[in-house]
Parts: sequence; structure tokens; C-alpha cells
Amino acid sequence: KNEVEQSPQNLTAQEGEFITINCSYSVGISALHWLQQHPGGGIVSLFMLSSGKKKHGRLIATINIQEKHSSLHITASHPRDSAVYICAVWGSRLTFGEGTQLTVNP
Amino acid sequence: DAGVTQSPTHLIKTRGQQVTLRCSPISGHKSVSWYQQVLGQGPQFIFQYYEKEERGRGNFPDRFSARQFPNYSSELNVNALLLGDSALYLCASSLELAAYNEQFFGPGTRLTVL
Repeated sequence: KNEVEQSPQNLTAQEGEFITINCSYSVGISALHWLQQHPGGGIVSLFMLSSGKKKHGRLIATINIQEKHSSLHITASHPRDSAVYICAVWGSRLTFGEGTQLTVNP
Repeated sequence: DAGVTQSPTHLIKTRGQQVTLRCSPISGHKSVSWYQQVLGQGPQFIFQYYEKEERGRGNFPDRFSARQFPNYSSELNVNALLLGDSALYLCASSLELAAYNEQFFGPGTRLTVL
């Protein structure tokens, strides 16, 4: 079993829909990152969380330390949000989930 | 300000060869980490360096080695290349040891081993 599990693996949405991507982890962590990776490989850090909730524009990230679970929400999704979203946790090292491929159709 | 830079962008090698990948962190960042991302998978941690010292190593064979220079740039070396080493190699920098600091990723070096 992977230390970091993401769901769903693939997600297709229509423009304007509310998106939720989930991340569960099995190790003790000091921080959790949500990352965005576009085709070609470039990775951008979206959020770093150790508790509670953070919001940036249309993106919201939450974490529940007791339940070892985090969610990334995208409100009013847009085709430019199409990318791979990766959850990564800092335990003894940064461990990544497999990623969620999001496609938003116009 | 320039972001994290990596060179080369693409590289093709044959089995058994050796390769050196380079990373320049954001100015002022003291920590550099290296990751391997095989196509279709999430990145895997290889090394972390902080203030020129190795601070973490992932589950990779001794064919993988790295170092950090006084200007905080870093090199990743891979010896005796195998087909399975074909991947995107990502470098990330952060101000301090990465656990509590945002990581900034470079564009990656895509290595193909034939």
C-alpha cells in the first residue's frame, strides 16, 4: 500500500463545475503539499498545509490531521485548470501520491 | 528573479554510460532536493542537500550520487545507466530544510536511456 493515496486517478469535468481531489496518507507528517504539474513536466507548488484550510483564488485546500486526509477543491473550474494535481507529504522525506489527471472541457 | 534552473533540458544516453545533471536554486535558497519521475507516476525522492551536506537519501542504488557546491548549486550523477533510469529528473529548492518551507521546482531534465 502506498504511503500516499490520491483519488480519483482521473477526473473529467465540464467548465464551471466544482472539483474535489482527495489525498489520504498513512504516516505521521509535518506538512502536506498540493502541487500542479502541466504537460512537459513543470511543477508548481499550490499549497503547503500543516493544519486547517487555505484558499488562493478559486483553489481551496483543507487538511484533517487526525483523519490523515486532505482535499483540494477547485471552484468554477476552467479548461486552463487541466493538469495533474499531486499530493505530497513530509514525513521523514517528501513522499508523493501518483497524481490526479484533471481534464476540464469547455 | 530567476527561478530554479536545470540543465540540460533533454539528454539521450546509452546503457552503461554516466550522466551528470545540474541544478541552480533560486538565489538565497540553501536547500536542494532531487526527484525522479517515471512516466505516469508521481515523483520519487532521491536526495536532499542543505548547506552542502546530504540531509536525506531515498531508496536509490549507489549508482546515484549528488553534491552541493558552496554557491548552493547541485549536481546529480548517475553511473552505469540502465533502461529503467529513463525519467524526468526534477530539482527543487527551498530557503531552509524543506519540511517547513515551500519547494520551488525546476523544469526538469528528461533523460532517455537507450
